[in-house]
Amino acid sequence: QVQLQQSGPELVKPGASVRISCKASGYTFTSYYIHWVKQRPGQGLEWIGWIYPGNVNTKYNEKFKGKATLTADKSSSTAYMQLSSLTSEDSAVYFCARGDGELRGFAYWGQGTLVTVSA
Amino acid sequence: DIQMNQSPSSLSASLGDTITITCHASQNINVWLSWYQQKPGNIPKLLIYKASNLHTGVPSRFSGSGSGTGFTLTISSLQPEDIATYYCQQGQSYPWTFGGGTKLEIK
Repeated sequence: QVQLQQSGPELVKPGASVRISCKASGYTFTSYYIHWVKQRPGQGLEWIGWIYPGNVNTKYNEKFKGKATLTADKSSSTAYMQLSSLTSEDSAVYFCARGDGELRGFAYWGQGTLVTVSA
Repeated sequence: DIQMNQSPSSLSASLGDTITITCHASQNINVWLSWYQQKPGNIPKLLIYKASNLHTGVPSRFSGSGSGTGFTLTISSLQPEDIATYYCQQGQSYPWTFGGGTKLEIK
């Protein structure tokens, strides 16, 4: 079955960077987009961008350009998102989700990674 | 960016009721609209895709309709397990955007 397993919670200092991972299993990693979504505590959902592991093409929400960098490692079927120059506004749960072209939505989600930015 | 205006932001209903949540897009999104259910502390769960298609395993009391700019999610015969926040999401153009959410409570 399709699974997306994300890395654990992170506590990071303001100004630092953090890298979150999303390990895929149960399907061909290089055939589906991996999207990333942000959810601040008690808030709604924001789409960050996607990476297509087959050719490592990426697309970003303009709002997150310079903040998020998406990469993927085909050998380990793992997608990564690096967040840089962290501020309190970046404290959130970050989800990876598999993109299904037919849906233009997300049927499969990772469990989420909580990033807390605090001194 | 396409704005997704979801209403109401909160809703209280009784068990067995039928409720409707609406989502209005700021421009034409054809049928590229998905609905999600998110329970506290859980991940979003896909309910409906392409406006009216029920995702695998989702109970048939959930239904979706609409096209263009206006969409609805209907839950009939409300059950206790339906307590959650519901979000719409457009997949017409990037950046994909979500509605602000509707928090459903049981009276």
